[in-house]
Amino acid sequence: GENVEQHPSTLSVQEGDSAVIKCTYSDSASNYFPWYKQELGKGPQLIIDIRSNVGEKKDQRIAVTLNKTAKHFSLHITETQPEDSAVYFCAASKGGSYIPTFGRGTSLIVHP
Amino acid sequence: GAVVSQHPSRVICKSGTSVKIECRSLDFQATTMFWYRQFPKQSLMLMATSNEGSKATYEQGVEKDKFLINHASLTLSTLTVTSAHPEDSSFYICSAGPSAGPQETQYFGPGTRLLVL
Repeated sequence: GENVEQHPSTLSVQEGDSAVIKCTYSDSASNYFPWYKQELGKGPQLIIDIRSNVGEKKDQRIAVTLNKTAKHFSLHITETQPEDSAVYFCAASKGGSYIPTFGRGTSLIVHP
Repeated sequence: GAVVSQHPSRVICKSGTSVKIECRSLDFQATTMFWYRQFPKQSLMLMATSNEGSKATYEQGVEKDKFLINHASLTLSTLTVTSAHPEDSSFYICSAGPSAGPQETQYFGPGTRLLVL
């Protein structure tokens, strides 16, 4: 089955800096890659996703890149703010009704 | 749009009692809902897939007689933890995939924290 590796497990940055979280996947048939943000005591919230027919997608301060050949995708957050502090999960799935496989999460801490 | 609610948000119960958790999709219909369990500082562990009008599909190692799932309508799935024990204490999260549109997109509920004394 699919295996998703996520790095780093913890990321600490200063407010205003950029943050990058990287994930790799093993199943070349995976074609849907969502990213979730989970604040303490809450459920994960979908923040951005990308499908395999594109290489990059951007939404304001958040961007995701996908390299299908290398089977890795990354989340980029620019101009970080303290409210970006949370745990971020990447996931990969084959689309349709296939259940996504989640990474182990990255705890992002943005220091004011 | 795409809001999923869970009730209750937090529950404390005595060992041996049963607890029911509701998951509702508020503004869309969901043929499929998923139930996850999450331990502190860990990732999401899929417990079961809930299909409207049919039996749930459980992941390996999840006891179907202990974690009863009912998906009676396109907007409601329930998880009942039967004869709960302290080791069942955890954060339970549901998610729902809209019946219409990209079926791979999942929207998560806010979670239910269960504490069994």
